[in-house]
Amino acid sequence: DTGVSQDPRHKITKRGQNVTFRCDPISEHNRLYWYRQTLGQGPEFLTYFQNEAQLEKSRLLSDRFSAERPKGSFSTLEIQRTEQGDSAMYLCASSEDRANTEAFFGQGTRLTVV
Amino acid sequence: DQQVKQNSPSLSVQEGRISILNCDYTNSMFDYFLWYKKYPAEGPTFLISISSIKDKNEDGRFTVFLNKSAKHLSLHIVPSQPGDSAVYFCAASQGAGSYQLTFGKGTKLSVIP
Repeated sequence: DTGVSQDPRHKITKRGQNVTFRCDPISEHNRLYWYRQTLGQGPEFLTYFQNEAQLEKSRLLSDRFSAERPKGSFSTLEIQRTEQGDSAMYLCASSEDRANTEAFFGQGTRLTVV
Repeated sequence: DQQVKQNSPSLSVQEGRISILNCDYTNSMFDYFLWYKKYPAEGPTFLISISSIKDKNEDGRFTVFLNKSAKHLSLHIVPSQPGDSAVYFCAASQGAGSYQLTFGKGTKLSVIP
């Protein structure tokens, strides 16, 4: 396994369009996370999955955002009716199912809303 | 309110010398701390971590120190190498029951040859 994989690496979309990102975690990792990073900031937590169950959601995750992990493997993050403020790097991470463990991040999807 | 603070946006160090990156936190519930390194256009890469039951953890050239009473941790890199030039993020979690990481804003380290 080569690590966490995200697709696409870059996405440019017009305001109001919907976009969907995909994340493939490290295969033996049960936990999967989505973070968002904007310029000059550290990554900010969006949501967390334990297998297929979405267990935590940040208040940053507005109604326009939805994340799924249907079979407990890959995950998708969809943003509906994109706004310019959604422009950011969207990072996916995965980790083992145990306490005090590091999360491994993918290379991210850079979203630009024009 | 920022719960994890990295007050130095940037740091320049000569090759071969020690780099010290600092991090402060305000949430006393944090009990696990991590450092990540990030190159431009890439995701963060895990570097080293420390549990709140320890005050030091060492891995090769990297050592993390934790001072719980001061709510402060630091990352020491010695000797610094040009390839260490990157943005370093401090992160913290509350351990069992909450799985999200809270990150600082990062410190950009430049190691000058």
